[in-house]
Amino acid sequence: DGGITQSPKYLFRKEGQNVTLSCEQNLNHDAMYWYRQDPGQGLRLIYYSQIVNDFQKGDIAEGYSVSREKKESFPLTVTSAQKNPTAFYLCASSTSGILLGNSPLHFGNGTRLTVT
Amino acid sequence: GQNIDQPTEMTATEGAIVQINCTYQTSGFNGLFWYQQHAGEAPTFLSYNVLDGLEEKGRFSSFLSRSKGYSYLLLKELQMKDSASYLCAVRVNYGGSQGNLIFGKGTKLSVKP
Repeated sequence: DGGITQSPKYLFRKEGQNVTLSCEQNLNHDAMYWYRQDPGQGLRLIYYSQIVNDFQKGDIAEGYSVSREKKESFPLTVTSAQKNPTAFYLCASSTSGILLGNSPLHFGNGTRLTVT
Repeated sequence: GQNIDQPTEMTATEGAIVQINCTYQTSGFNGLFWYQQHAGEAPTFLSYNVLDGLEEKGRFSSFLSRSKGYSYLLLKELQMKDSASYLCAVRVNYGGSQGNLIFGKGTKLSVKP
């Protein structure tokens, strides 16, 4: 079955450590996205990538980094520079460009990161 | 700027009908999506509107008025499993790239017996 896999589901880190969240998709989608979700707030876009080896900052990119070396994979690194890293992180993918139309985002099950 | 407003919480009774409203003010508009999200889980796609009018999908319908910047999600014959957050999202042109979604804060729906 096609889908998006995020791992792990729960992640705990000490303050000052970098941590990388995994996101893999087998939907053959060109575009991938990272969102952050906090209580009482809408999903906020961190980074997105429309094509392999290219990515763009979203609304809240500070303290995060990404790579897109393969079409299937879009890992997110939460660095020690991110001031409030504790959150629920969602990865998503979609078809891109002129194929967008009514193509929705497909989401992974999320990673809940807790930094203490 | 980009702004999407939805009520924070709603309560309804099993078997009833509920309407969840969404108003938006965005730079550009390429469609409006509704997602359902159960607590701690991934959002799942419910509906899409790009033209004015009503789209019906079983117990769920979604309406769009582009001139008013307004949409609603209508849920009929409510079931307990419909208790979830409902997210309104607008597809805009963003940073030279097409297709990024701006999300509202979500409406938490509680269905009571």
